[in-house]
Amino acid sequence: TQLLEQSPQFLSIQEGENLTVYCNSSSVFSSLQWYRQEPGEGPVLLVTVVTGGEVKKLKRLTFQFGDARKDSSLHITAAQPGDTGLYLCAGPGSSNTGKLIFGQGTTLQVKP
Amino acid sequence: EPEVTQTPSHQVTQMGQEVILRCVPISNHLYFYWYRQILGQKVEFLVSFYNNEISEKSEIFDDQFSVERPDGSNFTLKIRSTKLEDSAMYFCASRTDSEKLFFGSGTQLSVL
Repeated sequence: TQLLEQSPQFLSIQEGENLTVYCNSSSVFSSLQWYRQEPGEGPVLLVTVVTGGEVKKLKRLTFQFGDARKDSSLHITAAQPGDTGLYLCAGPGSSNTGKLIFGQGTTLQVKP
Repeated sequence: EPEVTQTPSHQVTQMGQEVILRCVPISNHLYFYWYRQILGQKVEFLVSFYNNEISEKSEIFDDQFSVERPDGSNFTLKIRSTKLEDSAMYFCASRTDSEKLFFGSGTQLSVL
């Protein structure tokens, strides 16, 4: 069974601090995605990483895919209150239907 | 930007009643999905739909659940006889051939 475990589950930090969220599995994934979800909304795709060791940047967000394609991280530099939300990692299931398996999410609160 | 539309945003029903959750996926999308998120838990895959048939379903998607795409634009999830444990946020999602999945804002289902 493919599982994705995220840590930490909750993070409360001050504006301007840096943080890292981790997404780990014992299974190899062909790709991993990161989503951000705000209350009352559906998840919104931030990035897809597909190559082991890949690093992608989206403004202050840096995403890394582990060399073995079993883990990924999201690093936010100089967090802002607007970064507050639920961050989800997700990977494709073993079938070819596009089904996604989600981690349990990391709730980030950035205080001004 | 085109979006996936879900109605209603909130649905309250009595245990044992039938509910139909409605979704209008993005018009040129080919793959359709339902996911659910019980409060405080992971986003869980329910079913995928392609070429007018179910391509994969999870263990959650038992005989009480069904999906339809009756008219080429709507995509519905029916729960025949709701149980208390069906209370959750239900998300519809769609995509083209690419991996980018677009989620709707969800329907919060409360079964009393």
